[in-house]
Amino acid sequence: GAGVSQSPSNKVTEKGKDVELRCDPISGHTALYWYRQSLGQGLEFLIYFQGNSAPDKSGLPSDRFSAERTGGSVSTLTIQRTQQEDSAVYLCASSPEDTIYFGEGSWLTVV
Amino acid sequence: GESVGLHLPTLSVQEGDNSIINCAYSNSASDYFIWYKQESGKGPQFIIDIRSNMDKRQGQRVTVLLNKTVKHLSLQIAATQPGDSAVYFCAEIYNQGGKLIFGQGTELSVKP
Repeated sequence: GAGVSQSPSNKVTEKGKDVELRCDPISGHTALYWYRQSLGQGLEFLIYFQGNSAPDKSGLPSDRFSAERTGGSVSTLTIQRTQQEDSAVYLCASSPEDTIYFGEGSWLTVV
Repeated sequence: GESVGLHLPTLSVQEGDNSIINCAYSNSASDYFIWYKQESGKGPQFIIDIRSNMDKRQGQRVTVLLNKTVKHLSLQIAATQPGDSAVYFCAEIYNQGGKLIFGQGTELSVKP
């Protein structure tokens, strides 16, 4: 597709379960970002991948959060042992160099 | 992580008026800035960007102004329309190619 694609668009999970969120960036974009946005709040940086460089993980809130980017393209954000405070929209973005384009997000609800 | 976790300021304007949304950024070394529009239930949508070697850039109905002296950005929307109603975020990148840090959003409400 032409834009950043995220799946699932909505996910309801039980507390304590693991979840995986997927991001397909725009083809050819070397940079990929994950952000978290709680209801009515701003965007919280989580992690940033740039080419083959080591990712910037400085925004991950705990060791329950991890992300991978395979082959410089698709990325998966994994949240282990989910907690209710993890409920938020998880937004992925990609960039060819500077301009950064966002997907529509994965809405996660932990019950 | 770095974040904005504040109650959003709001701006209410009449349809057809011009809107000015302001943003203070955090790092004097930032070299690239972007304005995003976010409608309810959607991801942020790119509006316009500006580099630190410029102080003004114009797009279609939108103008971004950059004042590096006071670390201030503004987004001007001409002839505001109901479809412009959304939350607007500014964002900065320092260390070109680094992570994008978002500023406080502003909720724009356009009255018909």
